[in-house]
Amino acid sequence: AQKITQTQPGMFVQEKEAVTLDCTYDTSDPSYGLFWYKQPSSGEMIFLIYQGSYDQQNATEGRYSLNFQKARKSANLVISASQLGDSAMYFCAMRGDDKVIFGPGTSLSVIP
Amino acid sequence: EAQVTQNPRYLITVTGKKLTVTCSQNMNHEYMSWYRQDPGLGLRQIYYSMNVEVTDKGDVPEGYKVSRKEKRNFPLILESPSPNQTSLYFCASSLSGATYEQYFGPGTRLTVT
Repeated sequence: AQKITQTQPGMFVQEKEAVTLDCTYDTSDPSYGLFWYKQPSSGEMIFLIYQGSYDQQNATEGRYSLNFQKARKSANLVISASQLGDSAMYFCAMRGDDKVIFGPGTSLSVIP
Repeated sequence: EAQVTQNPRYLITVTGKKLTVTCSQNMNHEYMSWYRQDPGLGLRQIYYSMNVEVTDKGDVPEGYKVSRKEKRNFPLILESPSPNQTSLYFCASSLSGATYEQYFGPGTRLTVT
């Protein structure tokens, strides 16, 4: 069965520091996509970054990068130079051709 | 503006009273999906639709119905709501395939008493 695990329910990071949010997944499908979404306290879901299962290079989008280790089935999100506005829930998700599954999320708090 | 809209945004109802949450997207997306979000569980997929007249169950379909008669609309129907369906519901749309991110609606906060 497909599954996403996020082992850090809550994390704190000092402003301007980097932080890594963990995500491990389980699937037997050879082709899949891995996504990270941000949910601020206002509630909307915001797409951050995508990594394909066949991509050789780690994805980057501005201050966000995805540390993809296929053999370990991990897709950790790295946020560099944290800002107060990064305080939010972060969800890792995996998508095949049809279904989408999400992890339980990590609550990140950025401390001034 | 490209968007996914949901109505209503907030709804308080009583057990057993049928309700429908509407979802509409203006991006011509084939794929649409409904999720419920509960604390500690993340988002769980209820139903999804790969295209018009094509729907399939997600991980938590019990107690819900959907239809996809038009490409832009994907309503969620609770025919006999129960208190355990109290949750935050999101509709999302995207192009079909594993490489595409989803666009989410603003969410519907449902309380069933």
